[in-house]
Amino acid sequence: EAQVTQNPRYLITVTGKKLTVTCSQNMNHEYMSWYRQDPGLGLRQIYYSMNVEVTDKGDVPEGYKVSRKEKRNFPLILESPSPNQTSLYFCASSSGGGTGGAFFGQGTRLTVV
Amino acid sequence: GENVEQHPSTLSVQEGDSAVIKCTYSDSASNYFPWYKQELGKRPQLIIDIRSNVGEKKDQRIAVTLNKTAKHFSLHITETQPEDSAVYFCAASLMFSGGYNKLIFGAGTRLAVHP
Repeated sequence: EAQVTQNPRYLITVTGKKLTVTCSQNMNHEYMSWYRQDPGLGLRQIYYSMNVEVTDKGDVPEGYKVSRKEKRNFPLILESPSPNQTSLYFCASSSGGGTGGAFFGQGTRLTVV
Repeated sequence: GENVEQHPSTLSVQEGDSAVIKCTYSDSASNYFPWYKQELGKRPQLIIDIRSNVGEKKDQRIAVTLNKTAKHFSLHITETQPEDSAVYFCAASLMFSGGYNKLIFGAGTRLAVHP
């Protein structure tokens, strides 16, 4: 079954404690991205990756890092989380450089206290 | 930069009525326009999309229309059912140098279908 898998689904953490949200896809897609979803703001892109070892900033990259060492995995790293990073996060993958049907992961609800 | 505006932000209809959600985009180079449905507590899922060389596309009760001149596109849902209740997002794909296309999302429309 084609899917994008994120972990964890829910996470409560304290300010400043490094965390990683994992994302894995089994569709051999080249393009992957991370979004955060906040009420009234829709989906805003944090980082994207066009292929292995190729990543770039999206619209709201501050406070986040990513890596793309393998085609299937695209983890999101928060080195020092802050309360304003409390949000719902989605990983997505697609073929064709970001066009075509984007497949989203199940989402990670992060709370930073 | 590219901007996608979506209206209305909330929409309430009676079961069986039609629902229309409209989006406008700012960059005339945009060439791909998907629509996503997000049910409560779930991930966004692609329900229909349209490319810039097509004016209309239908899939059962769902249709999307595109007016490139006016730079707007719309989602039409006919014979609405309670299970159509969800948040709907439109998006426009902006081409960057190097062949990379970025999806810019609208803020979403919360559709409620009342029995």
